[in-house]
Amino acid sequence: QVQLQESGPGLVKPSETLSLTCTVSGDSVKSSRWSWIRQPPGKGLEFIGYIYYSGRPGYYPVDYNPSLKSRVTMSLDTSKNQFSLNLNSVTAADTAVFYCARGSYFYPDWGQGILVTVSS
Amino acid sequence: EVLLTQSPGTLSLSPGDRATLSCRASQHVNNNYLAWYQQKLGQAPRLLIYEASSRATGIPDRFGGSGSGTDFTLTISRVEPEDFVVYYCQQYGGSPYTFGQGTKLEIK
Repeated sequence: QVQLQESGPGLVKPSETLSLTCTVSGDSVKSSRWSWIRQPPGKGLEFIGYIYYSGRPGYYPVDYNPSLKSRVTMSLDTSKNQFSLNLNSVTAADTAVFYCARGSYFYPDWGQGILVTVSS
Repeated sequence: EVLLTQSPGTLSLSPGDRATLSCRASQHVNNNYLAWYQQKLGQAPRLLIYEASSRATGIPDRFGGSGSGTDFTLTISRVEPEDFVVYYCQQYGGSPYTFGQGTKLEIK
């Protein structure tokens, strides 16, 4: 059974870059699509984007939410079986629990989530 | 972007009752690509239903999904004590994939 685990700093300063990694076990990152979703405290869920292995080394197609596209970058590390999220120029509005998940359309498997607070 | 509106915001029922949760889309959801999730406090969402009516692996058959086009429903035939949590719908018929604001199922 696939397991996902988010990691990264829990506190980021305004205007800086939020960087998170999701480590996948029980499956290869080459075999599925992988997504990031976030949830501000007490609020609903927001799709951030997804990434997948195309079969061509070094070429990993992505699809980002247009509302975040200018600030988001996702990457895939097949050697470590991980995928990552970078969100730059963060503000307090980016404070949320960030989830990594398997799938690009719907999400049968999720990480436990990591709370990232944007504050000075 | 497809906006999803869930109703009611809060549903008050007793264990054993039938629960009917609604999700209405601002435009047609392609291929009825609509999913439902259950989220317990402090946990990640759990996939219940995909493609509007297909139950995910391990989901009890008291959970059922129906609907098409712009109107979708999650039905819990007999609500169990552990079902009193929050439910979200999500459309993946067109990017960006969007979620509803959630329905909280509470004990009456």
